[in-house]
Amino acid sequence: GAGVSQTPSNKVTEKGKYVELRCDPISGHTALYWYRQSLGQGPEFLIYFQGTGAADDSGLPNDRFFAVRPEGSVSTLKIQRTERGDSAVYLCASSFGGANYEQFFGPGTRLTVL
Amino acid sequence: GQQVMQIPQYQHVQEGEDFTTYCNSSTTLSNIQWYKQRPGGHPVFLIQLVKSGEVKKQKRLTFQFGEAKKNSSLHITATQTTDVGTYFCAGRSNYGQNFVFGPGTRLSVLP
Repeated sequence: GAGVSQTPSNKVTEKGKYVELRCDPISGHTALYWYRQSLGQGPEFLIYFQGTGAADDSGLPNDRFFAVRPEGSVSTLKIQRTERGDSAVYLCASSFGGANYEQFFGPGTRLTVL
Repeated sequence: GQQVMQIPQYQHVQEGEDFTTYCNSSTTLSNIQWYKQRPGGHPVFLIQLVKSGEVKKQKRLTFQFGEAKKNSSLHITATQTTDVGTYFCAGRSNYGQNFVFGPGTRLSVLP
């Protein structure tokens, strides 16, 4: 069956630009997580959705970062006024239920801010 | 906030040797998950531990959850080259919905 997909796979942008990263979770999964991973580090939690609502957005680093999941399926992570420090791999994961279920990760979007 | 540490950071072993990675949380955990990430890949779920003192086995892999639910370990018996990758633990506290990942232990297996 289809796994979690993320688009684009790579995104190169200039400092100050706006970017959108898309995540398509596994069909039927109600929970969706966004993480970012820098080289040699573990995934860093950004935001968790249960259905359409953000159940926990405590990991968003500042107000330049925003995420939506309007229909409880596809999610978009939006980054305004990108900075070089935003460069990382952005991972999306989905799970069948809440926090007691395994997370299925997508392949990630590698964001490079020049 | 909650912090999760892992040791060692790197481990190089000869094929056939055993390997252990340790995970420690600054706070008591509700549950802990382990993931494996191959070079260039994404994290893949291995196991979840929920109960205090729980031990689970998957073939050559043994996972333990500490009695105080603040630490965990992953032991691999007789490593193989297919075990190469970075092993992450991810802990969820009793008060949150999110998982905090450790920095990972990178395992290299020499044939």
